[in-house]
Amino acid sequence: VQLVESGGGLVQPGKSLKLSCSASGFTFSSYGMHWIRQAPGKGLDWVAYISSSSGTVYADAVKGRFTISRDNAKNTLYLQLNSLKSEDTAIYYCARDRMGYYFDYWGQGVMVTVSS
Amino acid sequence: DIQMTQSPASLSASLEEIVTITCQASQDIGNWLSWYQQKPGKSPQLLIYGATSLADGVPSRFSGSRSGTQYSLKISRLQVEDIGIYYCLQAYSAPPTFGGGTKLELK
Repeated sequence: VQLVESGGGLVQPGKSLKLSCSASGFTFSSYGMHWIRQAPGKGLDWVAYISSSSGTVYADAVKGRFTISRDNAKNTLYLQLNSLKSEDTAIYYCARDRMGYYFDYWGQGVMVTVSS
Repeated sequence: DIQMTQSPASLSASLEEIVTITCQASQDIGNWLSWYQQKPGKSPQLLIYGATSLADGVPSRFSGSRSGTQYSLKISRLQVEDIGIYYCLQAYSAPPTFGGGTKLELK
């Protein structure tokens, strides 16, 4: 199992960014997936979840601004980040869901910095 | 949201020492509790799931237990490679919530 995030970078407040998580080594379409973030020097914060059937759930802090999606043909998970704020600055990890119970594999993370 | 209160926030221990980290859930979460280790500069890795089950490839010196709504991670004989930050996670109800983390250092 391998999860590789990409798409991070420096972006101005109010702008948008789209993160990708490329999955390999398992049947991507059969698993729910999560995005989790970690602000510099801080703990882990869950961001969003998408089920294998593309149902979605969001943290209150990002609801209405972020959109999680998936392309099973490309084995890729996405996170569209809109109306970015400085407090969205963090490392963003994708992780595989196991039966809604725990997260068994994590990517290496991608840094998003929101600053003018 | 379910709150996960993790303690201690930091811990300094000697090699071969027994280390225990706890998470207190704000309500019943059954066995929907997992533990993760994050080494410096790395992504978190699963250690324990279902409160007590050891993930594949995790050394047997790690163990998890539950008493009501209190969950514990025990390292039976601390090794150098165990240094890092440990987090608990409840996935009983949305949103999933993490404990604040325990930074484990060598004395």
